[in-house]
Formats: sequence, C-alpha cells, structure tokens
Amino acid sequence: DTGVSQDPRHKITKRGQNVTFRCDPISEHNRLYWYRQTLGQGPEFLTYFQNEAQLEKSRLLSDRFSAERPKGSFSTLEIQRTEQGDSAMYLCASSFRDLGNNEQFFGPGTRLTVL
Amino acid sequence: AQSVTQPDIHITVSEGASLELRCNYSYGATPYLFWYVQSPGQGLQLLLKYFSGDTLVQGIKGFEAEFKRSQSSFNLRKPSVHWSDAAEYFCAVGFIKAAGNKLTFGGGTRVLVKP
Repeated sequence: DTGVSQDPRHKITKRGQNVTFRCDPISEHNRLYWYRQTLGQGPEFLTYFQNEAQLEKSRLLSDRFSAERPKGSFSTLEIQRTEQGDSAMYLCASSFRDLGNNEQFFGPGTRLTVL
Repeated sequence: AQSVTQPDIHITVSEGASLELRCNYSYGATPYLFWYVQSPGQGLQLLLKYFSGDTLVQGIKGFEAEFKRSQSSFNLRKPSVHWSDAAEYFCAVGFIKAAGNKLTFGGGTRVLVKP
C-alpha cells in the first residue's frame, strides 16, 4: 500500500492524558499536513511541514499541541493534557511540491475520543 | 481570508437522478479548487480539481464541476447517481505561494440516495 497511513485509527483517552499520533506520508512526498475534523464539519488546517521544517501553524494549534517531522519522513502530532474539546478526527495529508500539482492525498485519520 | 460555503447540509436524491452540489468561495485571487468525497469511516478521496484552463473539469466516478469566476462558484454535478454515491462531499480552496498550499474546506454536504 503506497498511500498515506495513520496510526492509531482510534484512540480513547481520559481528560488530562497525553496522546501521540503518527502519520506516514507517501514516500516521495516532501510536504505533510495535519488537519482536524470535528463532527459535522469540514477539516480545518492545523499545520504543515516541508521536509523536516514546520512552516506554518494555525491559531487552532494551542500550546498543548506539538507536531514534528524529524527526518522529513513520518510525522507525529502530540496533544498534552487532553480536553474533551480535543475530540475529533485528526487527518494527515501529503503532497509533492511541484508546480501545477498540489494535490493532497489524505490518510484514513485518527479518531480521538476524550472522556 | 479565504472561505468556502456549501449551502446545502443534506441532499436526498433518488438513484438514477441527477445531482448538483453547490460551492461558493471567497478569495482575493484565482484559487485552486477541489472536491473531495468522504465515506463513513474513510479518509478524503479527491474527485476532481481545477487549477487553470477549461472551466469544466471531469473527475472520477462520473463527476464533473464547473468553475464560474463571476459567481465565485465551483458546483459539482453528476448526471445519474448510484447508491454508492451516498457519502459526504467537501469543496476546498487552496492557493499556491512559496510557503505552501493549505486547503480551506467547506462544511460539507451529506448526500443520501433513495432506492
């Protein structure tokens, strides 16, 4: 399978716990994006990387959220001290920076439930 | 700031009937436009995209969309709906700049298909 993969697919945690999600992009893609999708809404941009550099962060990304892409391949998104409002689907996408082709390929998402 | 509006939250259509989903965007320059489909528990799949050129674009699964600059619209159409088209559809806007091309999504339209 050469698509974007995310792990875990589902995560249930108690309020106040830390959680970490992983995203493996398509291997030749140098751009990686994180989005959050709450129930009944469209995805909202959180942050993106070009190679290992985090180039943009949304105001949605509070201090409790941190994302890394240490070697320019996979990425992790960590949420510290989770709150019930963090319950959502977290989507990862990747793309290859090439003029005229900026299609983003999405993974299946990680559904987070904070109790 | 760019924004995307999908005025219809739900649409019910009979199998075999035509389908049109509306999308309006607000953006200061010519955007890159996308339609994605999301089936329950699945990630987002790209149906079609518009970057430039012919304003009527063809996509997968028999879908097409027309970019109308004067109306700031990018409506999605399918002449004859199949039961498997029941899903949620998202319109998205992107723009290309040196720092990347995050997507802004509409709120989505859920399509129900009646037998």
